[in-house]
Amino acid sequence: GESVGLHLPTLSVQEGDNSIINCAYSNSASDYFIWYKQESGKGPQFIIDIRSNMDKRQGQRVTVLLNKTVKHLSLQIAATQPGDSAVYFCAEDGGFQKLVFGTGTRLLVSP
Amino acid sequence: DSGVTQTPKHLITATGQRVTLRCSPRSGDLSVYWYQQSLDQGLQFLIQYYNGEERAKGNILERFSAQQFPDLHSELNLSSLELGDSALYFCASSGTVNSPLHFGNGTRLTVT
Repeated sequence: GESVGLHLPTLSVQEGDNSIINCAYSNSASDYFIWYKQESGKGPQFIIDIRSNMDKRQGQRVTVLLNKTVKHLSLQIAATQPGDSAVYFCAEDGGFQKLVFGTGTRLLVSP
Repeated sequence: DSGVTQTPKHLITATGQRVTLRCSPRSGDLSVYWYQQSLDQGLQFLIQYYNGEERAKGNILERFSAQQFPDLHSELNLSSLELGDSALYFCASSGTVNSPLHFGNGTRLTVT
């Protein structure tokens, strides 16, 4: 069945470092992927998305890379700030926007 | 602010009871989704409605039901509640296919 998994449950970085959060997916038919950020007490917040016809997409301080060959997705955050501390989820569209979420990676940013 | 409103924020009830969670989608969004988030299961898709009609179903229990009204707000009904139903319930909305879902801040349900 469909599954989306994350390699690292917790990532600790220093303020100013670049962060990389990884995600593996199993449904090779998925054509749309999204990264969400969830802060304590809030709902998941959209960060960036990418379609399967692309391998890279950049936003403000964030970049998503998609490697369809190995079914791998990553989120890169440049110059990580304390406000970036949160849980990050990748999600793949299993059809009809039925998003399948990964288990999440907690990003801890130290000043 | 995502524009998706969920009420109530917190709900505490006893086993065997029934509760209703409410969601107002972003203005103009026709699709509403319900997700359950628990510590051991992560974010699980429950059900999707599009313009009043059920579009997709996930791992939603038979004790749970939902509907979307003509004004596009949605309600999730949970009945015969069990301790294991304690979780965060999120509503999300979207406008078009392959556009991101926007989530509300959830309803935290505690069943005692």
